[in-house]
Amino acid sequence: AQSVSQHNHHVILSEAASLELGCNYSYGGTVNLFWYVQYPGQHLQLLLKYFSGDPLVKGIKGFEAEFIKSKFSFNLRKPSVQWSDTAEYFCASKMQGGKLIFGQGTELSVKP
Amino acid sequence: DGGITQSPKYLFRKEGQNVTLSCEQNLNHDAMYWYRQDPGQGLRLIYYSQIVNDFQKGDIAEGYSVSREKKESFPLTVTSAQKNPTAFYLCASSIAGAPEQYFGPGTRLTVT
Repeated sequence: AQSVSQHNHHVILSEAASLELGCNYSYGGTVNLFWYVQYPGQHLQLLLKYFSGDPLVKGIKGFEAEFIKSKFSFNLRKPSVQWSDTAEYFCASKMQGGKLIFGQGTELSVKP
Repeated sequence: DGGITQSPKYLFRKEGQNVTLSCEQNLNHDAMYWYRQDPGQGLRLIYYSQIVNDFQKGDIAEGYSVSREKKESFPLTVTSAQKNPTAFYLCASSIAGAPEQYFGPGTRLTVT
């Protein structure tokens, strides 16, 4: 069965530290991959997405992710986090039929 | 102001009662989805609908029911058969065939 796995359940960083959140997916067909973010009390919103082309994709708020096909990975990165990046982050993959399958989520806490 | 609305934000019910969660969108999207979010488990698909008067079960449909009588509305009923109904419920929509989904603000249901 198709799955998405996020390795880090809770990450705690100080401001200005670099961030990398892991995401691995299992699916042999065409990949459509996403990172969503859920700030406290707010809607789930799209950070970035990969469909094809350049494997390094840039999203909003300085986030980027790299699609590595050989590793079935789509890790999220940010060179310098801010307190306002405190949120829960979800990796997702599109299945056939348009459904999304989500990872377990990673809670990021940034200390000021 | 386009978007997805879910009401109410918080809902409390006694065990054994059915409860219906509202989801409305004015994005003219064909497809709509219901997810359940539990801590450490990410989002899991309950039901989805690609077109009016048609819907399919997701991964955890047991104890839930839906209807899609209008394009803009996709209400979810949590029945008394759902063993662990207390959760955060998210509604989403998308253009037919498009992988990107847009999410509502969610309804937090507490059943005691």
